[in-house]
Amino acid sequence: AQRVTQPEKLLSVFKGAPVELKCNYSYSGSPELFWYVQYSRQRLQLLLRHISRESIKGFTADLNKGETSFHLKKPFAQEEDSAMYYCALSGYNFNKFYFGSGTKLNVKP
Amino acid sequence: DTGVSQDPRHKITKRGQNVTFRCDPISEHNRLYWYRQTLGQGPEFLTYFQNEAQLEKSRLLSDRFSAERPKGSFSTLEIQRTEQGDSAMYLCASSSRTVMNTEAFFGQGTRLTVV
Repeated sequence: AQRVTQPEKLLSVFKGAPVELKCNYSYSGSPELFWYVQYSRQRLQLLLRHISRESIKGFTADLNKGETSFHLKKPFAQEEDSAMYYCALSGYNFNKFYFGSGTKLNVKP
Repeated sequence: DTGVSQDPRHKITKRGQNVTFRCDPISEHNRLYWYRQTLGQGPEFLTYFQNEAQLEKSRLLSDRFSAERPKGSFSTLEIQRTEQGDSAMYLCASSSRTVMNTEAFFGQGTRLTVV
């Protein structure tokens, strides 16, 4: 069965500290992995996707098929990074996205 | 705003009443999704349209729920005989499958409260 697991509901770090938001998945085929972010009072929006291998706002994520993980990392957290982060998975035909339960990142000054 | 729009933003209804929500996707997007999100959870898939065809429905979607997308443009989600357990945020998203872009764009959501 398809599943996305985000083990941390809340992650609090100080500004300038490194951040790692964990995401593990289970999927029988070749998944497409995404990170979505939701800032306060805003809609869900795409942060990055694994196929693009891009860095957005200093965040990166590497797909590790052996460990079935797609952790989100940033070397130096900023206060404006405080938000809800959702890891999501889709199959090759993108007829649905499976979301994790989300991690709230709180970056303290 | 040329993004996905949903109407209404908030809906309070009495148990047993019917409600209908509307979603206007980004105009060139042929794929449309409905999700439901409850407190502390990520969005849960409800149903998916490609153009006007409803290609997939979640087992979560009881027979009180129905969705349409006439002419492959806007979509409606109707809940009949609402129950308190239907209280949630209902999210609509759209996407257009191209070689490079597989992103789903989300609307602001409709928050339903059943009293």
